[in-house]
Amino acid sequence: EVQLVESGGGLVQPGGSLRLSCAASGFTFSSYWMSWVRQAPGKGLEWVANIKLEGSEKYYVDSVKGRFTISRDNAKNSLYLQMNSLRAEDTALYYCARGLVRGCWDYWGQGTLVTVSS
Amino acid sequence: EIVLTQSPATLSLSPGERATLSCRASQSVSTYLAWYQQKPGQAPRLLIYDASNRATGIPARFSGSGSGTDFTLTISSLEPEDFAVYYCQQRSNWPLFTFGGGTKVEIK
Repeated sequence: EVQLVESGGGLVQPGGSLRLSCAASGFTFSSYWMSWVRQAPGKGLEWVANIKLEGSEKYYVDSVKGRFTISRDNAKNSLYLQMNSLRAEDTALYYCARGLVRGCWDYWGQGTLVTVSS
Repeated sequence: EIVLTQSPATLSLSPGERATLSCRASQSVSTYLAWYQQKPGQAPRLLIYDASNRATGIPARFSGSGSGTDFTLTISSLEPEDFAVYYCQQRSNWPLFTFGGGTKVEIK
């Protein structure tokens, strides 16, 4: 059974940092692109970042470029999101999602909540 | 950036009725469009990919159509568990993606 379990969310002050993790199981992690998608409270979905199979290619939505870094450890079946210089508008539930070649996501975690507030 | 506009924002229907949801792209996305369902407190669920292909395990009452800039998700006969928010998502400029704002299907 495919499982994605996020962790690392919490309350952080503006300008602070946080590192999110996603533990994957039930599939060959190194064979899939992985992504982070976020959802602000009561709002819609926003794609945040993608990372290729071995981590050689990474892509970001403009609003997080230069502040967030996506990475992965295939030996640990884990995906990460390092978030620096956090802003109030980064407050959201962050989902880890498994990417298909077709450019969509077939499995999602339950999310980890990040709250940026003083 | 490709902008996806979903309409209506809210659709009020009764169980057994047909639901028709629209997603319009600001420029052509060919057939590179997916649909997701999200229920309160749950992660999104992939329903349709490449405009008209049902994902694994998705009931046949869900169908997608369209190409270019205009797309439709149809639920032929609403079941109680279908009342949820639906999002479209494009991958035309892969590996950059955008979502529509969502359509809430609520019980009338």
